[in-house]
Parts: sequence; structure tokens; C-alpha cells
Amino acid sequence: DSGVTQTPKHLITATGQRVTLRCSPRSGDLSVYWYQQSLDQGLQFLIQYYNGEERAKGNILERFSAQQFPDLHSELNLSSLELGDSALYFCASSPQGRNEQFFGPGTRLTVL
Amino acid sequence: DAKTTQPPSMDCAEGRAANLPCNHSTISGNEYVYWYRQIHSQGPQYIIHGLKNNETNEMASLIITEDRKSSTLILPHATLRDTAVYYCIVRPSSSGSARQLTFGSGTQLTVLP
Repeated sequence: DSGVTQTPKHLITATGQRVTLRCSPRSGDLSVYWYQQSLDQGLQFLIQYYNGEERAKGNILERFSAQQFPDLHSELNLSSLELGDSALYFCASSPQGRNEQFFGPGTRLTVL
Repeated sequence: DAKTTQPPSMDCAEGRAANLPCNHSTISGNEYVYWYRQIHSQGPQYIIHGLKNNETNEMASLIITEDRKSSTLILPHATLRDTAVYYCIVRPSSSGSARQLTFGSGTQLTVLP
């Protein structure tokens, strides 16, 4: 158990819909990262937050957005969903001043 | 971040040592070597990292060559639960907010009974 929690574990929805994925980092970790893993793309970095502020952006679509709240939990919002958005979405956190990242169990999103 | 090259797959007998190689010939002086693994569909798991000295923890050992152009992750007594994709990642150290990870294709290690 990494200490990072993600909800929900599974999510099934239809094209065009909007969903929100939630992540709670390890206690004390200020950085939160979101990654997407699809069958054909491997693990891809989406976005990073540090203490409530966006720190880095990767291959995140404009239909996707994220935020980190004052209690440090983070949400990833996916809108206008397409079949190709079906993937595992992982959240990770890292301690201040250290580079190791600790990953949550992921949310499996299925878009039908 | 420096590019890494890993074999796509390896097999290892249960109870034997698993030696997973990684080439990173373009590594810079301030870049560390990190190893993560991902057991099927679970979140990646941090294993170990090092700069130039060999490192050991409860999970594995990391051997980095003197020229730092390659490294080997050693699982001393592989078990069936070690079957996973192993990722070698090279990235610089950073203070404060750490940078994101760039995952390659990794090595699929299969531990055979």
C-alpha cells in the first residue's frame, strides 16, 4: 500500500459525458502527478500540481483539466469523453525534496 | 532526460537472481538512475535509485557501471510475485518539486515456477 488513494476504482460511462477522478496523496506530500496508461500509448504524464499550483503539463488534452485543493487532494476532470479516453488513470505523489513517486492503485475508465 | 534501452522481456527461474540490464549511454553527471516496476494493471512501484555508487535496499540491488553508461537491477531471489514490467528511468535530481517520470517500454520479467 503506497498511501495514495484513488476513487473510484472503476468507471464506465458513455461518449460525450464528463467524469471526475479523485486522488488523495500520501500524508505530507505536496506534489501530485496524473498519468494515463492506455494499451497503445503506455504510461504518459498528464499534469503535475505542487501545493495547489500547476507545476508542469504533459500530453494533456484540452478536454481534460485538473486541480489540487487546499487539503492537497486532487481531481482530474475529463469531459466530452471519447472511446479513446478509455484507459487507466494513475495519480502519484512525492515527498518534498525527494524524487521518488508513489502511485495510487488507479482508476480504470471505460468509455462506451 | 537521458534515453534508456532495456530488453523487452526476460525470464527467470523462481528462487534465482533476476538481473535486469539498462543502457543509458547519454546520461549526464547530475542524472540519477531510477527503477520502478508495474505488476499487471497496478500502479507503478518505486524500487530503488542511485547516482554512481551501488545501492541496496530490502527489495533489490542496483549496480551502476563506473562510466555510468549502464546499470543492472538485481532481485536476489525472485518469486512469482516479482513478475512485472520493470522500468529504468534516468532523470536529474531536483529540490523542491520533483519532475514527472518519463516511462519507456520497460522489461517484462516473467518468473517461472
